[in-house]
Amino acid sequence: DVKVTQSSRYLVKRTGEKVFLECVQDMDHENMFWYRQDPGLGLRLIYFSYDVKMKEKGDIPEGYSVSREKKERFSLILESASTNQTSMYLCASSFFGNYGYTFGSGTRLTVV
Amino acid sequence: KQEVTQIPAALSVPEGENLVLNCSFTDSAIYNLQWFRQDPGKGLTSLLLIQSSQREQTSGRLNASLDKSSGRSTLYIAASQPGDSATYLCAAPTQGGSEKLVFGKGTKLTVNP
Repeated sequence: DVKVTQSSRYLVKRTGEKVFLECVQDMDHENMFWYRQDPGLGLRLIYFSYDVKMKEKGDIPEGYSVSREKKERFSLILESASTNQTSMYLCASSFFGNYGYTFGSGTRLTVV
Repeated sequence: KQEVTQIPAALSVPEGENLVLNCSFTDSAIYNLQWFRQDPGKGLTSLLLIQSSQREQTSGRLNASLDKSSGRSTLYIAASQPGDSATYLCAAPTQGGSEKLVFGKGTKLTVNP
């Protein structure tokens, strides 16, 4: 069964901490994405990677960075966590050419 | 800029009813459209991917259609069951065959026993 795995379901961090969210896919997908989902705002794209070490900013990249050193792994980094980054974070992947996304189960991050 | 709208935001139906969920998009030059299901606190599960050449796609009790000329897609659920209760989201490429998707805010469906 093909999968996108997010390392944590729930995470609580303190303001100012550096936070790493990990995502791993086993489908040999070229594309990987990080979204955040907030009530009333829907899903918003943070960053997109279309190849190893390649990345593109999404709609709301401020306060975030990403790393893709290997094809199967895409990390989202909160450089200095703030309370307004409390959210559900969703990772997705797809083949180049957009033949449909597969999502992970999400990480609920709370920053206190 | 692509915008995706889903109306209504919430829908409540009795078990057994056939129902239609609506999705509209502003940029009709898209190659495909995808429907997802999301259970509370969970990630998104892909239901159907419709290519622009297909116009319709079916999976079990689900049927999705795509009409690019009118900028609309519908998800038809036959003989609804309480287990169908979830939020349903549609997503379209930002433009053409873009790798990036724009998501609607979803329709929260409740099927009452």
